[in-house]
Amino acid sequence: QQQVKQSPQSLIVQKGGISIINCAYENTAFDYFPWYQQFPGKGPALLIAIRPDVSEKKEGRFTISFNKSAKQFSLHIMDSQPGDSATYFCAARESGGSYIPTFGRGTSLIVHP
Amino acid sequence: DAGITQSPRHKVTETGTPVTLRCHQTENHRYMYWYRQDPGHGLRLIHYSYGVKDTDKGEVSDGYSVSRSKTEDFLLTLESATSSQTSVYFCAISESSGIHGYTFGSGTRLTVV
Repeated sequence: QQQVKQSPQSLIVQKGGISIINCAYENTAFDYFPWYQQFPGKGPALLIAIRPDVSEKKEGRFTISFNKSAKQFSLHIMDSQPGDSATYFCAARESGGSYIPTFGRGTSLIVHP
Repeated sequence: DAGITQSPRHKVTETGTPVTLRCHQTENHRYMYWYRQDPGHGLRLIHYSYGVKDTDKGEVSDGYSVSRSKTEDFLLTLESATSSQTSVYFCAISESSGIHGYTFGSGTRLTVV
């Protein structure tokens, strides 16, 4: 059972465009939603995260939009650059217990110059 | 990645042989995790540790065992490697609550022939 569904699996965007990656979840106990960025040959690194008490969080060109009622959240990359080409993972975690997040399956983003 | 080191970085082994992967951290974090990453499957948790000698299974633990005799070291052992265990293995660490997300190592690429 896939608790966090991520789409699309791959995404190609032109330089300067907007990249949008979507995630949906089922578990209403999730209360922390991080996004990780992974470059080839490297481990994933925390990019940005949001809690469900806000609907949007922005850090530079990266924005998380959160829709609690729809149980969906998305990552928007504005003015996408070739250096943003990477694999992106969404995740969701509930407080208490083991604090272990559930990861989406990842999105491979390619930004063409 | 600063504070977390995986060894070896690459390994080729034969089917049926035991293999041990090592994760070493200098951050004194309580939690350590082993994930495997495969195309189309994203990151899947194998085992994790919440303290010295305290470990628990993840979603894909069959065929794997772990040990943690010191805070800084977390070992993953494939008792008898199979071709289905060919993968990239990532170690991750987190503070107790995981509120600041995970820090991942650079990964070990394991090929079982």
